[in-house]
This record gives sequence, C-alpha cells and structure tokens, in this order.
Amino acid sequence: QLQLQESGPGLVKPSETLSLTCTVSGGSISSDTYYWGWIRQPPGKGLEWIGSIYYSGTTYYNPSLNSRVTISVDTSKNQFSLKLSSVTAADTAVFYCARSLPLLKGGYYYYYMDVWGKGTTVTVSS
Amino acid sequence: DIQMTQSPSSLSASVGDRVTITCRASQSIGSYLNWYQQKPGKAPKLLIYAASNLQSGVPSRFSGSGSGTDFTLTISSLQPEDFATYSCQQSFTTRYSFGQGTKLEIK
Repeated sequence: QLQLQESGPGLVKPSETLSLTCTVSGGSISSDTYYWGWIRQPPGKGLEWIGSIYYSGTTYYNPSLNSRVTISVDTSKNQFSLKLSSVTAADTAVFYCARSLPLLKGGYYYYYMDVWGKGTTVTVSS
Repeated sequence: DIQMTQSPSSLSASVGDRVTITCRASQSIGSYLNWYQQKPGKAPKLLIYAASNLQSGVPSRFSGSGSGTDFTLTISSLQPEDFATYSCQQSFTTRYSFGQGTKLEIK
C-alpha cells in the first residue's frame, strides 16, 4: 500500500528557506503515470496547492509562489522535496505531500490526488 | 489562474439530512473537478474525482455532479462521521487550485 511521509524542520526563521522532503514507500516514484505534489494549509484556512513534479523533473508551480518555490525529485531515494525561500509568518502552515494519478476517460486524463501524507507543521518564527 | 468558489462557507445540518455543497469555477473546467473531505488534524481524503466518480471505499451516500463552471457535492443522508470540511479542487490546468472549503457542522 502506497504511503507518503513528510519530514523536515518544524521551525524556520523569517527570511530563511523552508525545506521539506516527502518519502514514498510501497511504490515507485519513477512511475510514468503519476505526479507528486505539495499542498499547504495555514492555521484555520483552506488548502493551497503549491506545486507538482513528474518523475522526469518537469515541474508546475502556483503562480503566487512561483518565484520562491523549488520542487525536486530524487528517484534513487524515492523522495521528492520542497524548498520555499524568503519565508515569513504567512508561510506558517501544515504542509502535505500527495500523489496525483489520472483517470483516462473519453480520451482525456483527469487527475486527482488519491494518497496524501499525514502532514507536517512548519512554523515561521524568530 | 482558475478561481474556485464554494458556497456556503459553513453549513449546519442534522443527522439524516440531505446536504448539497456548491463549487463554482471562474472559467469552464469541463469535468476536471475533485472533492475532498477533511477532519480536524487529518489529511484530506478523496471522495469524488472527475466530477462524478466515487472513490473506492467512499459510501454511496456521497455523490457529485456538474460540468463546466458549476458543480455540486451531495450527501443523501448525513451520518455523524460526515461532519467535516469539504473542499473542491480543479485539475483542468496543471496548476491546480482549491475552493476555500465548506465546514459542515452539527445542528
């Protein structure tokens, strides 16, 4: 059974770079079927999609975060990672990683996120 | 960017009620719409994908409909475990976006 687990520092100082890793177990990150993504949720607020990566390294980012976000993949470790630079208190959130897979229907691929990590809380504070 | 707007933002209902939550996209997204349920302190759980397809293991009292810009999630008979926050998400573009969420509370 596929499982995702987020890891990384729970506390980051303002202006520094937040770094998180998602470890995939029970399946291969190198499958050409899936995308792997990061989503965050500030306290008391809704979900915000951060970005996604394909095993080949192709990435897609939220335009509102694009200049500060980097997502990378390490197929040898079955992991993908998130870096968010120049953080402020507004970046305090629970961060989730998730798998996107497609439904092929009528010749089109419909992507949805079916497996999520449990989430990790990151607080930005001095 | 595609903006997703849910209504209502919160809703009070009783066990056994039929409940409908609406999600509207800022442009047509076909059937590229997914629904998630989230309970406090837990990760989101996929309920419905591609607008109307029930995820494996999800009770049949949940259903989704719609296409284009207007979508609905319906719970036919609320159960105690259904009180949670529900979020829609579009995958029409590779840059996904979520609605702000609808909190379903016990009346």
